[in-house]
Amino acid sequence: DGGITQSPKYLFRKEGQNVTLSCEQNLNHDAMYWYRQDPGQGLRLIYYSQIVNDFQKGDIAEGYSVSREKKESFPLTVTSAQKNPTAFYLCASSPRTVGSSDTQYFGPGTRLTVL
Amino acid sequence: GENVEQHPSTLSVQEGDSAVIKCTYSDSASNYFPWYKQELGKRPQLIIDIRSNVGEKKDQRIAVTLNKTAKHFSLHITETQPEDSAVYFCAAIVGGGTSYGKLTFGQGTILTVHP
Repeated sequence: DGGITQSPKYLFRKEGQNVTLSCEQNLNHDAMYWYRQDPGQGLRLIYYSQIVNDFQKGDIAEGYSVSREKKESFPLTVTSAQKNPTAFYLCASSPRTVGSSDTQYFGPGTRLTVL
Repeated sequence: GENVEQHPSTLSVQEGDSAVIKCTYSDSASNYFPWYKQELGKRPQLIIDIRSNVGEKKDQRIAVTLNKTAKHFSLHITETQPEDSAVYFCAAIVGGGTSYGKLTFGQGTILTVHP
């Protein structure tokens, strides 16, 4: 767990603004993921990336964008097109190579609030 | 796609009692089943996992059982303590290969252990 960091811990956004959430890992994991968690709800997958320069949409990708220019970094941008962005955002990573673990390890999360 | 159902949504027990949380999954190809514990405002942390080639796994007071035929798996916590109070999530994935298998989460169980 300690190898995955997210920043900031709390983020406030005005309506119409884009904001970017940071996720960094030093675990040398190939795969990285972004989840959204609403109060009393489970985790829903926004985007995921198995390798550098490649990423795929998850279940709720609309209004979000990502990039994976470096293995260690997977930033998430919440755009103004996301109508209800207030939520707890969790980044995760896993080895995801053949013969390795599928276990996902989570960062500490970013709580985004739209004012 | 995979669908994971988790029950109960809330569970209240007395300290020292056992707690059981059950999950069912829909995709018979799923072969990795982790359980996460999430304390309020914190990241989900892996507490135990099981692969489809075993039927049971135990780690001190925590155990997980898997019934592949019925497509359900359960988390068992014995001798519960107040610090076990948290939200518990089950998940399922078709893993172990080069193609991506999405980790699908259950909706979570709020466990409260009363002293």
